[in-house]
Amino acid sequence: NAGVTQTPKFQVLKTGQSMTLQCAQDMNHEYMSWYRQDPGMGLRLIHYSVGAGITDQGEVPNGYNVSRSTTEDFPLRLLSAAPSQTSVYFCAISTSQGEREAFFGQGTRLTVV
Amino acid sequence: QKEVEQDPGPLSVPEGAIVSLNCTYSNSAFQYFMWYRQYSRKGPELLMYTYSSGNKEDGRFTAQVDKSSKYISLFIRDSQPSDSATYLCASNSGGFKTIFGAGTRLFVKA
Repeated sequence: NAGVTQTPKFQVLKTGQSMTLQCAQDMNHEYMSWYRQDPGMGLRLIHYSVGAGITDQGEVPNGYNVSRSTTEDFPLRLLSAAPSQTSVYFCAISTSQGEREAFFGQGTRLTVV
Repeated sequence: QKEVEQDPGPLSVPEGAIVSLNCTYSNSAFQYFMWYRQYSRKGPELLMYTYSSGNKEDGRFTAQVDKSSKYISLFIRDSQPSDSATYLCASNSGGFKTIFGAGTRLFVKA
């Protein structure tokens, strides 16, 4: 039982490149979210999903895209990376009503140069 | 103004001390209140959660919410070096809009 697994753990991108951050869970939770964590800013919600085929925007969605084709996977796509997207990204699974994030992945450290 | 404010610290205490971590919030609609612990270069871990006002105790940890003053607290008794981490408070009005504080770094010295 791995919980929430994120890959890769580290990534360096050049400005303008695209990439996909992977998130997989084996806890059969319907609700999944992506956050970014920046110094002094706390965790900020990028996108979330309440189930396969259903996604919605969070607080800071610009420059990111998501899709949810299965319960297990919730990938986050950076369309054209910018230095402002340098951050640590966390995937989380939420409780059934979305009132709290129950488990987080270990994070992906992304640097855009 | 951020919806959830938290002093970033760092807070340094000797082993065995009682630690008090605090947050304030501005949104009266918040009903759910959480504390997460985050070790360096790891993901946050849900430590405690409460609904509405009141206290909740779990071992050495006590979470307290005062909705009248919009104040959230976490108390750690008999603090240990293994408690050294960043503590994040968070609030939610119900439904995928959790707002996190920036975190307080805690160091417990042996």
